[in-house]
Amino acid sequence: DAKTTQPPSMDCAEGRAANLPCNHSTISGNEYVYWYRQIHSQGPQYIIHGLKNNETNEMASLIITEDRKSSTLILPHATLRDTAVYYCIVRVGSGNTGKLIFGQGTTLQVKP
Amino acid sequence: SAVISQKPSRDICQRGTSLTIQCQVDSQVTMMFWYRQQPGQSLTLIATANQGSEATYESGFVIDKFPISRPNLTFSTLTVSNMSPEDSSIYLCSVEALNRPFFGPGTRLTVL
Repeated sequence: DAKTTQPPSMDCAEGRAANLPCNHSTISGNEYVYWYRQIHSQGPQYIIHGLKNNETNEMASLIITEDRKSSTLILPHATLRDTAVYYCIVRVGSGNTGKLIFGQGTTLQVKP
Repeated sequence: SAVISQKPSRDICQRGTSLTIQCQVDSQVTMMFWYRQQPGQSLTLIATANQGSEATYESGFVIDKFPISRPNLTFSTLTVSNMSPEDSSIYLCSVEALNRPFFGPGTRLTVL
């Protein structure tokens, strides 16, 4: 019952921006969108999350469409170390206590 | 942030045996979560463990197969019982801190 759809893989040139799309058309009004990444054999690492406003932190930017049915994670200057599987996740339920429902993720390959 | 450690980091087990995985957090947390990640797949929530109460299992997971203990606010165990090769996965512990989930490094289990 994954609530997100992502492309299975993407390539990005080193130093360029990586734009990772995610569809979550069935998201409810109080459900947050989270982004995590997983580098091989490690636990998922938090990147960013948001509800309806665009968000930016030291790692990335999150752009959420006005209807909240899709979002885009932007890594402004991708490096080789950004090669990972990126998960767009909807947090089911209200606020910060709901369950994380993982989609299948996007494998991002950053190339020199 | 929350620092999570898991033991063992990996193990190879024989069919029919059981393995108990430990999760230790460096701060007190109300809820702890256990996930499974099958080879090449995304993460699936097994159960939520609150201190002082029975764990809540997701659809497809049962207590007899995955018993969980939560003796205090910094520790939990997950047992994988009567293992079969289909149980070969990475098992991850997760907690909530700073309004977002943190994940442990995972336990890589191989069942022969």
